[in-house]
Amino acid sequence: RKEVEQDPGPFNVPEGATVAFNCTYSNSASQSFFWYRQDCRKEPKLLMSVYSSGNEDGRFTAQLNRASQYISLLIRDSKLSDSATYLCVVNTWEGLTGGGNKLTFGTGTQLKVEL
Amino acid sequence: NAGVTQTPKFQVLKTGQSMTLQCAQDMNHEYMSWYRQDPGMGLRLIHYSVGAGITDQGEVPNGYNVSRSTTEDFPLRLLSAAPSQTSVYFCASSYRTSGQGVYEQFFGPGTRLTVL
Repeated sequence: RKEVEQDPGPFNVPEGATVAFNCTYSNSASQSFFWYRQDCRKEPKLLMSVYSSGNEDGRFTAQLNRASQYISLLIRDSKLSDSATYLCVVNTWEGLTGGGNKLTFGTGTQLKVEL
Repeated sequence: NAGVTQTPKFQVLKTGQSMTLQCAQDMNHEYMSWYRQDPGMGLRLIHYSVGAGITDQGEVPNGYNVSRSTTEDFPLRLLSAAPSQTSVYFCASSYRTSGQGVYEQFFGPGTRLTVL
């Protein structure tokens, strides 16, 4: 099983739609979670961190379910500019002798918002 | 602030050639890292550094060397290029890693490398 798994998509949605992505992780000891956005042929950029209580930033809502080991990203009122690949990133502390913090990136979910 | 800069943007090498990918940041970040991104595999950590003079291996270090003589610069050297090293390489920096937590990673624009 991959450490971090995402549905690669693409998710094709009309403008204004609501779309949700899930990401599952295999290590129950993982401690912090993030969503990064990557535009085509560009570098990843932090979209938002994912907090245990869930958090919202404008049209974006992130949730964490530790019991089922998944995080989710909900985008409301999709815009054409939301078209991108969304990377799930999981941080696991591997101890001082184990290399410290380990960031594992998912392969990404591609979103295409259409007129 | 320029953020994280990488050069070159594109490079074509022949098998066996060596080269250095440059990375610099002007944010006074302690933590710097190199990743490669391949289709269907996500970003994989090659090497990282928690400060000047300190480097360590990541998940896929074979065939690559790094050094960190200054806070700002973190070059990645390919010793003898192989077709398996064809990839997009991203350099990243962050404020630091602090115990059991990480800060936002700032990525450079990437270097697209093809090895023939």
